[in-house]
Amino acid sequence: EPEVTQTPSHQVTQMGQEVILRCVPISNHLYFYWYRQILGQKVEFLVSFYNNEISEKSEIFDDQFSVERPDGSNFTLKIRSTKLEDSAMYFCASSDSFSGNTIYFGEGSWLTVV
Amino acid sequence: AQRVTQPEKLLSVFKGAPVELKCNYSYSGSPELFWYVQYSRQRLQLLLRHISRESIKGFTADLNKGETSFHLKKPFAQEEDSAMYYCALSGKESGTYKYIFGTGTRLKVLA
Repeated sequence: EPEVTQTPSHQVTQMGQEVILRCVPISNHLYFYWYRQILGQKVEFLVSFYNNEISEKSEIFDDQFSVERPDGSNFTLKIRSTKLEDSAMYFCASSDSFSGNTIYFGEGSWLTVV
Repeated sequence: AQRVTQPEKLLSVFKGAPVELKCNYSYSGSPELFWYVQYSRQRLQLLLRHISRESIKGFTADLNKGETSFHLKKPFAQEEDSAMYYCALSGKESGTYKYIFGTGTRLKVLA
Protein backbone atom coordinates (compact mmCIF):
# COMPACT_ATOMS: atom_id res chain seq x y z
CA GLU A 1 0.00 0.00 0.00
CA PRO A 2 1.45 3.38 -0.95
CA GLU A 3 2.56 5.57 1.94
CA VAL A 4 3.56 9.10 2.65
CA THR A 5 7.23 9.15 3.61
CA GLN A 6 9.01 11.80 5.62
CA THR A 7 12.63 12.63 6.33
CA PRO A 8 14.32 13.09 8.68
CA SER A 9 12.56 11.05 11.32
CA HIS A 10 14.22 13.13 14.02
CA GLN A 11 16.22 16.34 13.90
CA VAL A 12 17.83 18.34 16.65
CA THR A 13 18.64 21.92 15.79
CA GLN A 14 19.84 25.01 17.56
CA MET A 15 17.49 27.92 18.07
CA GLY A 16 17.70 30.35 15.18
CA GLN A 17 18.77 27.74 12.64
CA GLU A 18 16.85 26.95 9.49
CA VAL A 19 15.22 23.54 9.18
CA ILE A 20 13.79 21.80 6.14
CA LEU A 21 11.47 18.85 6.61
CA ARG A 22 10.89 16.70 3.56
CA CYS A 23 7.91 14.68 2.49
CA VAL A 24 7.13 12.44 -0.45
CA PRO A 25 3.34 12.29 -0.79
CA ILE A 26 1.49 9.37 -2.32
CA SER A 27 2.18 9.54 -6.04
CA ASN A 28 -1.27 10.21 -7.48
CA HIS A 29 -2.28 12.65 -4.77
CA LEU A 30 -2.64 16.30 -5.54
CA TYR A 31 -3.38 17.86 -2.17
CA PHE A 32 -0.74 18.17 0.49
CA TYR A 33 -0.77 19.20 4.10
CA TRP A 34 1.44 19.83 7.05
CA TYR A 35 0.24 19.32 10.58
CA ARG A 36 2.13 19.52 13.82
CA GLN A 37 1.71 17.97 17.23
CA ILE A 38 3.45 19.47 20.21
CA LEU A 39 4.22 16.76 22.76
CA GLY A 40 1.11 15.90 24.69
CA GLN A 41 -1.12 18.23 22.69
CA LYS A 42 -3.51 17.81 19.82
CA VAL A 43 -2.75 17.63 16.12
CA GLU A 44 -2.85 21.14 14.65
CA PHE A 45 -3.32 22.15 11.04
CA LEU A 46 -0.53 24.25 9.56
CA VAL A 47 -1.05 24.53 5.83
CA SER A 48 -2.62 22.96 2.78
CA PHE A 49 -1.13 23.09 -0.70
CA TYR A 50 -2.54 22.45 -4.15
CA ASN A 51 -1.46 23.28 -7.66
CA ASN A 52 1.84 24.71 -6.47
CA GLU A 53 0.34 27.19 -4.12
CA ILE A 54 -0.92 27.44 -0.58
CA SER A 55 -4.66 26.83 -0.35
CA GLU A 56 -5.06 27.63 3.29
CA LYS A 57 -2.88 28.26 6.31
CA SER A 58 -3.46 28.56 10.01
CA GLU A 59 -2.39 31.33 12.33
CA ILE A 60 0.50 29.13 13.38
CA PHE A 61 1.93 29.28 9.85
CA ASP A 62 3.57 32.68 10.12
CA ASP A 63 6.33 34.26 8.05
CA GLN A 64 8.89 31.88 9.54
CA PHE A 65 7.26 28.98 7.71
CA SER A 66 7.20 28.23 4.03
CA VAL A 67 6.31 25.27 1.84
CA GLU A 68 7.25 24.30 -1.65
CA ARG A 69 7.22 21.44 -4.08
CA PRO A 70 10.61 21.85 -5.69
CA ASP A 71 10.71 18.88 -8.02
CA GLY A 72 7.24 17.44 -8.47
CA SER A 73 7.68 14.72 -5.88
CA ASN A 74 9.02 16.25 -2.68
CA PHE A 75 6.92 18.57 -0.56
CA THR A 76 8.97 20.52 1.93
CA LEU A 77 8.31 22.56 5.02
CA LYS A 78 10.93 25.14 5.87
CA ILE A 79 11.22 26.90 9.18
CA ARG A 80 13.45 29.87 8.64
CA SER A 81 14.63 30.65 12.16
CA THR A 82 13.58 28.03 14.64
CA LYS A 83 12.30 28.84 18.09
CA LEU A 84 12.10 26.59 21.12
CA GLU A 85 8.33 26.43 20.74
CA ASP A 86 8.71 24.94 17.27
CA SER A 87 9.72 21.67 18.91
CA ALA A 88 7.04 19.21 17.83
CA MET A 89 6.22 16.27 15.62
CA TYR A 90 5.50 17.50 12.11
CA PHE A 91 3.23 15.34 10.02
CA CYS A 92 2.95 15.56 6.28
CA ALA A 93 -0.24 14.30 4.69
CA SER A 94 -1.72 13.96 1.26
CA SER A 95 -5.06 13.24 -0.34
CA ASP A 96 -6.40 12.82 -3.83
CA SER A 97 -9.23 15.24 -3.32
CA PHE A 98 -10.35 18.17 -1.30
CA SER A 99 -13.84 16.75 -1.30
CA GLY A 100 -13.61 15.25 2.13
CA ASN A 101 -11.67 12.18 1.08
CA THR A 102 -9.33 10.55 3.51
CA ILE A 103 -5.96 12.11 4.08
CA TYR A 104 -2.99 9.85 4.64
CA PHE A 105 -0.27 10.77 7.07
CA GLY A 106 3.44 10.17 7.08
CA GLU A 107 5.23 8.85 10.15
CA GLY A 108 6.22 12.31 11.19
CA SER A 109 9.44 14.20 11.77
CA TRP A 110 10.39 14.95 15.35
CA LEU A 111 11.94 18.39 15.57
CA THR A 112 13.74 19.32 18.75
CA VAL A 113 14.95 22.89 19.04
CA VAL A 114 17.57 23.45 21.72
CA ALA B 1 -17.28 27.65 14.79
CA GLN B 2 -15.95 24.29 13.69
CA ARG B 3 -14.92 22.20 16.63
CA VAL B 4 -14.31 18.61 17.58
CA THR B 5 -14.60 17.76 21.25
CA GLN B 6 -13.26 14.64 22.90
CA PRO B 7 -14.13 15.08 26.56
CA GLU B 8 -11.94 12.31 27.95
CA LYS B 9 -8.16 12.68 27.94
CA LEU B 10 -7.68 9.19 29.32
CA LEU B 11 -9.89 6.16 29.34
CA SER B 12 -8.80 3.01 31.15
CA VAL B 13 -10.70 -0.24 30.76
CA PHE B 14 -10.00 -3.86 31.49
CA LYS B 15 -9.38 -6.33 28.72
CA GLY B 16 -12.65 -7.73 27.49
CA ALA B 17 -14.70 -4.77 28.71
CA PRO B 18 -16.69 -2.57 26.32
CA VAL B 19 -15.15 0.68 25.16
CA GLU B 20 -16.77 3.93 24.12
CA LEU B 21 -14.66 6.90 23.13
CA LYS B 22 -16.77 10.01 22.91
CA CYS B 23 -16.64 12.58 20.15
CA ASN B 24 -18.92 15.55 19.61
CA TYR B 25 -18.63 18.06 16.85
CA SER B 26 -19.82 21.49 15.99
CA TYR B 27 -20.24 22.32 12.34
CA SER B 28 -22.85 24.22 10.39
CA GLY B 29 -22.79 22.11 7.24
CA SER B 30 -22.46 18.39 6.57
CA PRO B 31 -19.02 17.31 7.60
CA GLU B 32 -17.36 13.98 7.09
CA LEU B 33 -16.24 12.37 10.33
CA PHE B 34 -13.22 10.18 10.93
CA TRP B 35 -11.45 8.32 13.68
CA TYR B 36 -7.67 8.12 13.57
CA VAL B 37 -5.47 5.99 15.81
CA GLN B 38 -1.89 6.69 16.82
CA TYR B 39 0.14 3.90 18.38
CA SER B 40 3.10 4.95 20.52
CA ARG B 41 4.69 7.77 18.45
CA GLN B 42 3.77 6.22 15.13
CA ARG B 43 1.91 7.89 12.31
CA LEU B 44 -1.73 8.71 12.50
CA GLN B 45 -3.66 5.89 10.86
CA LEU B 46 -7.19 6.06 9.62
CA LEU B 47 -9.41 3.78 11.65
CA LEU B 48 -12.89 4.64 10.44
CA ARG B 49 -14.77 7.11 8.31
CA HIS B 50 -18.48 7.56 8.79
CA ILE B 51 -19.46 7.28 5.14
CA SER B 52 -18.00 3.80 4.79
CA ARG B 53 -19.95 2.44 7.77
CA GLU B 54 -17.48 -0.38 8.23
CA SER B 55 -16.00 -2.08 11.24
CA ILE B 56 -12.24 -2.05 11.61
CA LYS B 57 -10.48 -4.09 14.31
CA GLY B 58 -13.87 -4.54 15.92
CA PHE B 59 -14.46 -0.78 16.23
CA THR B 60 -17.60 0.90 14.96
CA ALA B 61 -18.83 4.46 15.02
CA ASP B 62 -22.22 5.84 14.11
CA LEU B 63 -22.81 9.42 13.12
CA ASN B 64 -25.67 10.89 15.14
CA LYS B 65 -26.54 14.17 13.49
CA GLY B 66 -29.17 15.02 16.09
CA GLU B 67 -26.66 14.79 18.90
CA THR B 68 -23.74 15.84 16.67
CA SER B 69 -21.79 12.88 17.94
CA PHE B 70 -19.55 10.22 16.42
CA HIS B 71 -18.65 7.99 19.33
CA LEU B 72 -16.24 5.11 18.78
CA LYS B 73 -17.24 1.77 20.25
CA LYS B 74 -15.86 -1.70 20.65
CA PRO B 75 -17.66 -4.44 22.57
CA PHE B 76 -14.56 -6.21 23.90
CA ALA B 77 -11.32 -4.27 24.36
CA GLN B 78 -7.97 -5.90 23.64
CA GLU B 79 -4.58 -4.90 25.06
CA GLU B 80 -3.35 -4.03 21.57
CA ASP B 81 -6.08 -1.39 21.35
CA SER B 82 -4.09 0.79 23.74
CA ALA B 83 -3.29 3.94 21.77
CA MET B 84 -4.28 7.56 21.21
CA TYR B 85 -7.53 8.00 19.35
CA TYR B 86 -8.38 11.18 17.50
CA CYS B 87 -11.74 12.14 16.17
CA ALA B 88 -11.60 14.45 13.17
CA LEU B 89 -13.95 16.19 10.83
CA SER B 90 -13.50 17.32 7.29
CA GLY B 91 -15.58 20.24 6.22
CA LYS B 92 -15.67 22.95 3.62
CA GLU B 93 -15.07 26.49 4.68
CA SER B 94 -14.17 29.46 2.53
CA GLY B 95 -14.04 27.24 -0.50
CA THR B 96 -11.57 24.68 0.77
CA TYR B 97 -11.72 21.57 2.91
CA LYS B 98 -9.61 21.01 5.93
CA TYR B 99 -9.44 18.55 8.73
CA ILE B 100 -9.98 19.52 12.33
CA PHE B 101 -8.84 17.16 15.02
CA GLY B 102 -10.06 16.70 18.55
CA THR B 103 -7.61 16.74 21.41
CA GLY B 104 -7.48 12.96 21.51
CA THR B 105 -8.28 10.29 24.04
CA ARG B 106 -5.66 7.91 25.32
CA LEU B 107 -7.10 4.44 25.68
CA LYS B 108 -5.35 2.11 28.11
CA VAL B 109 -6.51 -1.46 28.12
CA LEU B 110 -5.47 -3.20 31.30
CA ALA B 111 -4.75 -6.90 31.52
